[in-house]
Amino acid sequence: KNEVEQSPQNLTAQEGEFITINCSYSVGISALHWLQQHPGGGIVSLFMLSSGKKKHGRLIATINIQEKHSSLHITASHPRDSAVYICAVIKLFKSSTNTGNQFYFGTGTSLTVIP
Amino acid sequence: NAGVTQTPKFQVLKTGQSMTLQCAQDMNHEYMSWYRQDPGMGLRLIHYSVGAGITDQGEVPNGYNVSRSTTEDFPLRLLSAAPSQTSVYFCASSYFGTLNTEAFFGQGTRLTVV
Repeated sequence: KNEVEQSPQNLTAQEGEFITINCSYSVGISALHWLQQHPGGGIVSLFMLSSGKKKHGRLIATINIQEKHSSLHITASHPRDSAVYICAVIKLFKSSTNTGNQFYFGTGTSLTVIP
Repeated sequence: NAGVTQTPKFQVLKTGQSMTLQCAQDMNHEYMSWYRQDPGMGLRLIHYSVGAGITDQGEVPNGYNVSRSTTEDFPLRLLSAAPSQTSVYFCASSYFGTLNTEAFFGQGTRLTVV
């Protein structure tokens, strides 16, 4: 079972709609990322949060540490928002030689916004 | 400050060929990692490094080799390419021991093994 679960896997919306993508995780984490990947493009970080809520323009990310859940909201969606959105958590890990933080990724939500 | 530079962007290999994917960062990050991205499976960790001279295996290391001779560079080597290694590969870097660290990704390499 993946430690990070995202829903929905695919989402189609009309331009202007309010969009919500959900992320649930099963392990204790130190922080959570929302990433964006455009078709054929690289991956960029949208948000990094460990509590509460963050807002950048039309994007809002929330996290509830007790419920192990985060949501990414897009207000007034636009076709240029079409992309894959990936939830990633940072978890403390220990190996035989090192202790530090490592990323674990959800499988992504593919969003298509239709004009 | 160029961030994470990953090359090449596209590559086609024949089965059995070897190649190296290059990854370099100029942010003095300790942690560098390689992922492969396959449909429906998300990003899976191949190998990672927490500093020069230190590497370790991730979730799917078989068929891949890495080295970290400098802080800046973390190349990924395919020893004998197989069709199962057809995928999109991403290099990433971040600070390691710091909580709430942000990850920076390369542009990705789309590899096809025929």
